[in-house]
Amino acid sequence: KAGVTQTPRYLIKTRGQQVTLSCSPISGHRSVSWYQQTPGQGLQFLFEYFSETQRNKGNFPGRFSGRQFSNSRSEMNVSTLELGDSALYLCASSLFPATNEKLFFGSGTQLSVL
Amino acid sequence: GESVGLHLPTLSVQEGDNSIINCAYSNSASDYFIWYKQESGKGPQFIIDIRSNMDKRQGQRVTVLLNKTVKHLSLQIAATQPGDSAVYFCAENSSQNYGGSQGNLIFGKGTKLSVKP
Repeated sequence: KAGVTQTPRYLIKTRGQQVTLSCSPISGHRSVSWYQQTPGQGLQFLFEYFSETQRNKGNFPGRFSGRQFSNSRSEMNVSTLELGDSALYLCASSLFPATNEKLFFGSGTQLSVL
Repeated sequence: GESVGLHLPTLSVQEGDNSIINCAYSNSASDYFIWYKQESGKGPQFIIDIRSNMDKRQGQRVTVLLNKTVKHLSLQIAATQPGDSAVYFCAENSSQNYGGSQGNLIFGKGTKLSVKP
């Protein structure tokens, strides 16, 4: 069974641009979560989606948005990029959004904002 | 806010020795704890989990210990191998909010484990 797939693997953008990142969960998984990872802040929760609905949202500005499609695939978008948005963006999937459901992570998209 | 922290940022051990990675948590409402391993260039990989109604759980070469009295979590790796070299994260979650959500998952800063051959 294929794991969580994230595309693209690497991305370089300039300030002010916008970016869309894609995530395909493990087959059968209906819950998708997004995390931002930086050396300074570590792993921080962005969003959680289940059945095309945003179920929970972390403490990030409105420039960060996301959505989930009927096939459980998810995208996140960052508009008006800032230098501080440079990070590894990780997508994780689970069968359901329950607390004790195991999360399976993708390898991430490394975003560099110049 | 409440957060999960790690006592040591780096740990170096000899191949074959046992490793112990520690973690402190501060949210008394947390009832589910997980250890993840992250190798360079990869996303975190699930290692082992434990619920708050347990104080010990064993997996293959790994053991997680939970001390709720002092809010402490540890990961023990037996017979550490070079392939165990990675950053290890503890994470905590609480089922109280949102009826249970991965969004409550709080990660520690991580401990880098280096295994010397």
